[in-house]
Amino acid sequence: DIQMTQSPSSLSASVGDRVTITCRASQRINNYLSWYQQKPGKAPKLLIYAASSLQSGVPSRFSGSASGTDFTLTISSLQPEDFATYYCQQTYITPITFGQGTRLEIK
Amino acid sequence: QVQLQESGPRLVKPSETLSLTCSVSGDSVNSGSNYWSWIRQPPGKGLEWIGYIYYSGNTNYNPSLKSRVTISLDTSKNQFSLKLSSVTAADTAVYYCARVPCSTISCQADWFDPWGQGTLVTVSS
Repeated sequence: DIQMTQSPSSLSASVGDRVTITCRASQRINNYLSWYQQKPGKAPKLLIYAASSLQSGVPSRFSGSASGTDFTLTISSLQPEDFATYYCQQTYITPITFGQGTRLEIK
Repeated sequence: QVQLQESGPRLVKPSETLSLTCSVSGDSVNSGSNYWSWIRQPPGKGLEWIGYIYYSGNTNYNPSLKSRVTISLDTSKNQFSLKLSSVTAADTAVYYCARVPCSTISCQADWFDPWGQGTLVTVSS
């Protein structure tokens, strides 16, 4: 199975901060990498697909990038509604696997 | 607007079979452009992919659950279903269904969107 390792596991930040979350794949996944946001009691919501493409309707402060097997989700200026848990996911090879999640909390 | 909705028993006894249905509106489960997938999330934990089905009936399951899982389609009702047999307390989770667009000639799975709202299934006697 492809292991997806997210870092950090949790993060405290303030409104207006720039935040970066990293996801490392254990092998090449050819940019078949998505990012999801999940709020308590809600289903995950797609933010980024194909490593760097912004899903329709998602604010432009969210962006994704890739370098080999390392992937990054960046929030340029945190808003109150961005405090949530974020997951990366690879769909290149089954079984499809998710990162363990990054919990973004208010400082 | 595509919407998915899970339904089924919220409480299942140990050793019995968990059965859930996902009703799809705004798209057809008979479309060759998507897989239809199940995912679960134990309380307070991360996401685990269970498997998906293609309009042809071809399935792909997570090896960790493969011996106990069956995913099927009902094109007449535009639904797909999950059966998980011989459940234990470790199968207690929120179960989600999701659409998975696919691309390329080989229908490479792309991303999961949209998701159903999820349903908590508890395994307990």
